[in-house]
Amino acid sequence: AQKVTQAQTEISVVEKEDVTLDCVYETRDTTYYLFWYKQPPSGELVFLIRRNSFDEQNEISGRYSWNFQKSTSSFNFTITASQVVDSAVYFCALSSGGYQKVTFGTGTKLQVIP
Amino acid sequence: DTGVSQDPRHKITKRGQNVTFRCDPISEHNRLYWYRQTLGQGPEFLTYFQNEAQLEKSRLLSNRFSAERPKGSFSTLEIQRTEQGDSAMYLCASSLGRNSGNTIYFGEGSWLTVV
Repeated sequence: AQKVTQAQTEISVVEKEDVTLDCVYETRDTTYYLFWYKQPPSGELVFLIRRNSFDEQNEISGRYSWNFQKSTSSFNFTITASQVVDSAVYFCALSSGGYQKVTFGTGTKLQVIP
Repeated sequence: DTGVSQDPRHKITKRGQNVTFRCDPISEHNRLYWYRQTLGQGPEFLTYFQNEAQLEKSRLLSNRFSAERPKGSFSTLEIQRTEQGDSAMYLCASSLGRNSGNTIYFGEGSWLTVV
């Protein structure tokens, strides 16, 4: 069984603030992949990043960074200097046990206020 | 580069009618998924295909739902005798499977409203 928990339902920040979206996952498998997706108001889910369970290096891509910690089963996502265009629902997801299906969290709605 | 395409994008139907959604995956992708998403929720897995074989179905997929991928390319999701509870966005996604860490790419979704 695999499970993803995103405890933050909604977050509001003022433009240019930094914001961190939390993700906690559960799996009995030692090999798995973690993902983040963005769903803007238009509705299409956009893939942002994939990490495998053997690579705990943090990753930075522009204003986005991801912190993967196996010890706490967390895969958190930080947006630096947030912009209005970052307003969206962000989903954390997990694929394990043969990588057959991807299980999503319930999402965190981020509102960036100008 | 053609992404996942879904048709129709929006469908309004009367309760009891049948509806069918079509999905065309990214051309080289051998896995195809159907998910359902309701307002305020994350995508919920319904079923997936490896080529033309349907390998897993969620308990969410009642007997009124059927999915096919006849030639391992496009897929259809049919809902028979629709109910108001079927109102949701139906998402199709595809992937290369293990070779890509099962990264799935979504289409724009098909919104279903049952009145």
